[in-house]
Amino acid sequence: DVKVTQSSRYLVKRTGEKVFLECVQDMDHENMFWYRQDPGLGLRLIYFSYDVKMKEKGDIPEGYSVSREKKERFSLILESASTNQTSMYLCASRGAGSYEKLFFGSGTQLSVL
Amino acid sequence: GQQLNQSPQSMFIQEGEDVSMNCTSSSIFNTWLWYKQDPGEGPVLLIALYKAGELTSNGRLTAQFGITRKDSFLNISASIPSDVGIYFCAGTATDSWGKFQFGAGTQVVVTP
Repeated sequence: DVKVTQSSRYLVKRTGEKVFLECVQDMDHENMFWYRQDPGLGLRLIYFSYDVKMKEKGDIPEGYSVSREKKERFSLILESASTNQTSMYLCASRGAGSYEKLFFGSGTQLSVL
Repeated sequence: GQQLNQSPQSMFIQEGEDVSMNCTSSSIFNTWLWYKQDPGEGPVLLIALYKAGELTSNGRLTAQFGITRKDSFLNISASIPSDVGIYFCAGTATDSWGKFQFGAGTQVVVTP
C-alpha cells in the first residue's frame, strides 16, 4: 500500500514564525501536492510538484512556498505564519501513469495564534 | 476559476437508508472522482468516472457522470455506521493537467 506520511498531526505556532510542514511518500511517485482543507470550502490546491526541484503554483499559493529536493519528500513552508493560515493541511502523491489516483496523508492541523 | 457546487452540505440519516449527493460544475469536466474522508484521516478514492453517462459501482456505492459533463452523482445504498465521514467530489478538465477541483464536501452522519 502507498504510504504518505506527514511529520506532524498537530502544530501550534505563533504569528510571524516560519513553519515547515513535511511530507514523505514511499511509492516513488513523481507528482506531489499540498492542499489546505477548510470547512465549507473543501480542498484547495496550494502548490504541486511533478518532479524533483520542479514546482507549480496551485489556486492559493500566496503566503506559501515549497521545496522538493528529493523525489520522496515535499515540504510546505510558511515564511511568516498568519492567523488566516490556521487550517488542515493535506499532502498527496500520485504516480505518473494514474493521474486520478491521489493518495493522501492523514493531514496536519495547524493553529497559528 | 472552475467552481464546484456540492450538495447537500450535511446529511443525518438512519442506518439502512439510502443517501444521494451531487456536484455541479460551471465548466465541462472530462473526469469526475468521488473521495471519502474518515474522521482523522486523509481522503480515499472511492470511484473514478471518465466519460459522460458512465455509471460505476463500488459495493453499495454508485456514481454517475452526468450527460452534460457538468455534473456527477453519488448514491450510497443501505447505509451502515461506517459510512460516516465527509464525501468529496472532484473534477478536472482536459487542459488542467490532472489538477482537480474539489467540492466543499458532504458530511454524512448515520444513526442506528
